[in-house]
Amino acid sequence: KNEVEQSPQNLTAQEGEFITINCSYSVGISALHWLQQHPGGGIVSLFMLSSGKKKHGRLIATINIQEKHSSLHITASHPRDSAVYICAVSYYNTDKLIFGTGTRLQVFP
Amino acid sequence: DVKVTQSSRYLVKRTGEKVFLECVQDMDHENMFWYRQDPGLGLRLIYFSYDVKMKEKGDIPEGYSVSREKKERFSLILESASTNQTSMYLCASSSLQGKGGYEQYFGPGTRLTVT
Repeated sequence: KNEVEQSPQNLTAQEGEFITINCSYSVGISALHWLQQHPGGGIVSLFMLSSGKKKHGRLIATINIQEKHSSLHITASHPRDSAVYICAVSYYNTDKLIFGTGTRLQVFP
Repeated sequence: DVKVTQSSRYLVKRTGEKVFLECVQDMDHENMFWYRQDPGLGLRLIYFSYDVKMKEKGDIPEGYSVSREKKERFSLILESASTNQTSMYLCASSSLQGKGGYEQYFGPGTRLTVT
């Protein structure tokens, strides 16, 4: 069983819809990361958070430490949001990241 | 801006060839990582280096070796390429967690095909 579980694996949406991607993890962490990968492209970091909520433009990331769960929300989705979104966690005793398998999002006009 | 560059975007090699994948970062990061990414499996760590000449095996080191002679450069070596090493290879770098930064910065990836 992967230490980091994402859902759903695939997601399609119409332009303008509100989107939620979920991530759960099994043990205590030092931080949770949300990453984005466009087709054929490299990976960019969207958020790194250890508590509460962060917002950047139309993207919002939340984390609930007690429930070991995080969500990534996209408001007013757009076709350019189509990408793979990856959740990853880091632990206190290592600089390595543990990755989820990703959520493939397609937003249609 | 942090920049992580990889030597090739696409590479085609024959079974049995020795393959070198190069990664360079310009942010004086201590940590460098090599991952492979396969559909349905996500990112898997091959090797990790936390300092020059220091390395640590990741989850799938078999068939791979690495070299870090300079802080900015981390090389992945496939000693004898096999078809099951066809994959996307991604390099990343980060500061030490103790310095407050464990965000990883990724290169554009190298799509390797072994025929």
